Amino acid sequence: DVKVTQSSRYLVKRTGEKVFLECVQDMDHENMFWYRQDPGLGLRLIYFSYDVKMKEKGDIPEGYSVSREKKERFSLILESASTNQTSMYLCASGFQGSYNEQFFGPGTRLTVL
Amino acid sequence: AQSVAQPEDQVNVAEGNPLTVKCTYSVSGNPYLFWYVQYPNRGLQFLLKYITGDNLVKGSYGFEAEFNKSQTSFHLKKPSALVSDSALYFCAVRDQGANAGKSTFGDGTTLTVKP
Repeated sequence: DVKVTQSSRYLVKRTGEKVFLECVQDMDHENMFWYRQDPGLGLRLIYFSYDVKMKEKGDIPEGYSVSREKKERFSLILESASTNQTSMYLCASGFQGSYNEQFFGPGTRLTVL
Repeated sequence: AQSVAQPEDQVNVAEGNPLTVKCTYSVSGNPYLFWYVQYPNRGLQFLLKYITGDNLVKGSYGFEAEFNKSQTSFHLKKPSALVSDSALYFCAVRDQGANAGKSTFGDGTTLTVKP
């Protein structure tokens, strides 16, 4: 069974804090993704990575950065958290090739106060 | 640019009746199309996908979807709905020319199946 795990299920942070969200997959997937999910807006891609140390901006990268030092781990960083970054964050992974489906983690619900 | 539209925020059906969740897409090349389901308090799960070939695709839990190129649609269907099918459903598209596989998701449709 493919497993994608995220470091926290729920997280509460204060405005201006630096926030790290970690994602680990155990299926040797080349591709990894970070999305945010907001009611009525579906899933919006923040960043994705198709290889170690490689990253590409998604549709809403502003205010975020990512790090992929190892193939199995993809981190999302909020350099200075703001209230409008309160959201559900979903990590996903998948094999290379755009015909391949993605496997999602359980999500991290982040609240920024 | 690629996009997906799920025209219905909410679909309500009675248990045992057929269900349809609609999806239309726009992509510059040929599409790969996916359906995912999100049960309450759980992550998204892959249901089925269209890559090529037969326009009718069968997936998990008795779901199927029909690819219609002329109507640029990929509607999700099930002949007989179960209460346990109640969930949030997302349609997603990728351009076949995209190597890294950037997906665009629809806004989601909440399916409620009543006993």
